[in-house]
Amino acid sequence: DPKIIQKPKYLVAVTGSEKILICEQYLGHNAMYWYRQSAKKPLEFMFSYSYQKLMDNQTASSRFQPQSSKKNHLDLQITALKPDDSATYFCASSQEQAGQLYFGEGSKLTVL
Amino acid sequence: QQQVRQSSQSLTVWEGETAILNCSYENSAFDYFPWYQQFPGEGPALLIAIRSVSDKKEDGRFTIFFNKREKNLSLHIKDSQPGDSATYFCAAINYNVLYFGSGTKLTVEP
Repeated sequence: DPKIIQKPKYLVAVTGSEKILICEQYLGHNAMYWYRQSAKKPLEFMFSYSYQKLMDNQTASSRFQPQSSKKNHLDLQITALKPDDSATYFCASSQEQAGQLYFGEGSKLTVL
Repeated sequence: QQQVRQSSQSLTVWEGETAILNCSYENSAFDYFPWYQQFPGEGPALLIAIRSVSDKKEDGRFTIFFNKREKNLSLHIKDSQPGDSATYFCAAINYNVLYFGSGTKLTVEP
């Protein structure tokens, strides 16, 4: 059974629209992360949360907003979508050591 | 600025050979270096990791050699199998943020 569930697996959006990527982890971890993977920048760190609090944000644009409604949830809201946002977005979690990440299977976003 | 570099985008070896994947880094503050393996359509998975106080870490067919003075490390995959064909990412951690290299796509030919 997948321990980190990401939904949807694939999505297509039009430029200017808004999407929410869902992530739930069932590993009992306290820290959660979002990474982005594209042809231009493989596995780029975006956000980290610990105990539902934002720890680090290396995303320049405010169009990307993480949302943590529960300890094991970390969704990613993306507004005013652009074609450059096309990428696979990976959610990950860890217990204590941020180097030992467990990744979900990703949500592949295509913006037309 | 790329903090972790993987010099080869791709590498092809024959089944049974040892595959060597290289990695270098810039930041002396990095102290933990995991390697992740990623198959198409899947998320990366932790394969093996080393701390900067060690110069070698072995786990089955996988070995990391680490050179702190030169700021480089390598992943050796002994007796490569076709099932090892994947993309391998070198990574390093600083202030609880994991930085990834650009990856090396390994193909093991039978």
